[in-house]
Amino acid sequence: AQKVTQAQTEISVVEKEDVTLDCVYETRDTTYYLFWYKQPPSGELVFLIRRNSFDEQNEISGRYSWNFQKSTSSFNFTITASQVVDSAVYFCALSPQGGSEKLVFGKGTKLTVNP
Amino acid sequence: NAGVTQTPKFQVLKTGQSMTLQCAQDMNHEYMSWYRQDPGMGLRLIHYSVGAGITDQGEVPNGYNVSRSTTEDFPLRLLSAAPSQTSVYFCASREGGGAPGANVLTFGAGSRLTVL
Repeated sequence: AQKVTQAQTEISVVEKEDVTLDCVYETRDTTYYLFWYKQPPSGELVFLIRRNSFDEQNEISGRYSWNFQKSTSSFNFTITASQVVDSAVYFCALSPQGGSEKLVFGKGTKLTVNP
Repeated sequence: NAGVTQTPKFQVLKTGQSMTLQCAQDMNHEYMSWYRQDPGMGLRLIHYSVGAGITDQGEVPNGYNVSRSTTEDFPLRLLSAAPSQTSVYFCASREGGGAPGANVLTFGAGSRLTVL
């Protein structure tokens, strides 16, 4: 069975602080995808990143970076110099490589960035 | 492109009533799915479809029916609504096969359903 754990239910930071959102996953599949989605207060789900299990390179996109470590089954997300617009619920998700319709989500981490 | 369109955005039902949540996508995606989002639970898969005429159950299918008569549409039916079905529902779609975006779901804006 697949499982995604986001242990941090809520995080509150002050603008310009760095913040890391943790994600730990469990799967018996040898190939799989990991994802992060953002859900701002408006409610829509916005795709942020997909990582293939074969690719353990860390990725940086502007103020966002992702650290994938297969050895610890973790896929953590760091926001550098956080901004108020980063306030949202962030979901980590896992799917077998051939079946994203069976995406398994973590319960989400609510990030509040205060001015 | 409209992407994934869900209607209605909001609905209030009484226990026992039936209704259909509509979902349409204009991206010619093979795969479509329905999720429900409940506080503290993340998103859970209800039903999914890998193509017209083919549907299957997800993690929480009870109380819901789906059909996929066309590539574009994937309605979710509640035959006899219950308070436990109060939730926010998201429809999603993705490309199939070896397309670059084959494993990335595009979500609709969500439909908030309240069952009294």
